[in-house]
Amino acid sequence: KNQVEQSPQSLIILEGKNCTLQCNYTVSPFSNLRWYKQDTGRGPVSLTIMTFSENTKSNGRYTATLDADTKQSSLHITASQLSDSASYICVVSPTAGGTSYGKLTFGQGTILTVHP
Amino acid sequence: EAGVTQFPSHSVIEKGQTVTLRCDPISGHDNLYWYRRVMGKEIKFLLHFVKESKQDESGMPNNRFLAERTGGTYSTLKVQPAELEDSGVYFCASSIRLTTYNEQFFGPGTRLTVL
Repeated sequence: KNQVEQSPQSLIILEGKNCTLQCNYTVSPFSNLRWYKQDTGRGPVSLTIMTFSENTKSNGRYTATLDADTKQSSLHITASQLSDSASYICVVSPTAGGTSYGKLTFGQGTILTVHP
Repeated sequence: EAGVTQFPSHSVIEKGQTVTLRCDPISGHDNLYWYRRVMGKEIKFLLHFVKESKQDESGMPNNRFLAERTGGTYSTLKVQPAELEDSGVYFCASSIRLTTYNEQFFGPGTRLTVL
């Protein structure tokens, strides 16, 4: 079982609508949780990074939340645009001895399709 | 500022052949990472360099994979001999230093197909 589980696997919405993607993780202890956007044929691009002490972070129309107690995170996209069509990946960075190491643990991603 | 670059973008080889992937990190980034995504699975960590030293190679699948970063600049990942299950997209990422946020910047990936 993957240590980072995302839902739904895929989602289709109409342009202008909002949506929320979910992430549950079991990585512990962890240093931070990230949401990445990956366009087809490109590498992942960071949207937000939150430490365990942060419970919300925004980047334009993207807002991520984190509940470290329940080990859940969500990514909310407001007023979707066609360019939002991509895979959205939840990523957890573990920690050891108080130092954040480079090894990231990825979810499988949610494929979002925005239709006109 | 140039981002992380990877070469080639695609590679198609036959089982048993050798392939070498190259990654050029962002200039000044001491940390370099290799990841891999096989079809239908999540991206998985392979290894982490700090300058020319291997910090963590716990994700390397077996000894057919050899990563190097001579001089602490670009890195190569060699697969020899390639097997069918090695097919996937290989990503490289780099970061300036290990901090709480440790933002990693990813390259576009190399799509490897082993026939």
